[in-house]
Amino acid sequence: EAGVVQSPRYKIIEKKQPVAFWCNPISGHNTLYWYLQNLGQGPELLIRYENEEAVDDSQLPKDRFSAERLKGVDSTLKIQPAELGDSAVYLCASSPGTSGYTGELFFGEGSRLTVL
Amino acid sequence: GQQVMQIPQYQHVQEGEDFTTYCNSSTTLSNIQWYKQRPGGHPVFLIQLVKSGEVKKQKRLTFQFGEAKKNSSLHITATQTTDVGTYFCAGQNNQGGKLIFGQGTELSVKP
Repeated sequence: EAGVVQSPRYKIIEKKQPVAFWCNPISGHNTLYWYLQNLGQGPELLIRYENEEAVDDSQLPKDRFSAERLKGVDSTLKIQPAELGDSAVYLCASSPGTSGYTGELFFGEGSRLTVL
Repeated sequence: GQQVMQIPQYQHVQEGEDFTTYCNSSTTLSNIQWYKQRPGGHPVFLIQLVKSGEVKKQKRLTFQFGEAKKNSSLHITATQTTDVGTYFCAGQNNQGGKLIFGQGTELSVKP
């Protein structure tokens, strides 16, 4: 069974440029998460989807970040414009659970963003 | 808001020595999960604890959930070089599905 697939693995851009990350969760997993991980830190939740609904986006900087999960399957996370402080690894995860019981998260390999 | 703290931040051990990392939450948790992230890799699920005072074992790894469901620990007996990585706890509170990760404990093992 295929795991969570993310692309691109690496992205280098100049500040003020836009960037987008794509995630395809494990088939049948209703819940999808985007996490931000800075070096030496634990993952921090940006947004959580249950099917196509964003049920928790309280930590998403909405002035520059946007996300969508059309048809409740794959998802994209966009940053426009990117800032130097956005350099980090963007992790996508999925789980079969719902808000009452999260269960195990399955993470993708992550997309490492470097903003110059 | 809910916070999950882990100590120590780093631990360097000689192969064969034991290792323990501790996790403390500012609020009561409904469950706690543990993940391992190898250098350059992504977090991989190890275990989930749900019951107060629960103890689970996976070979050389022992996981505990505190009686008050606010703290947890991971103990590795006789570390091996394959244990190298960062261990994260992640707690889910009673009020919703948000899983809050600790900052992790990075384990290095000297052969």
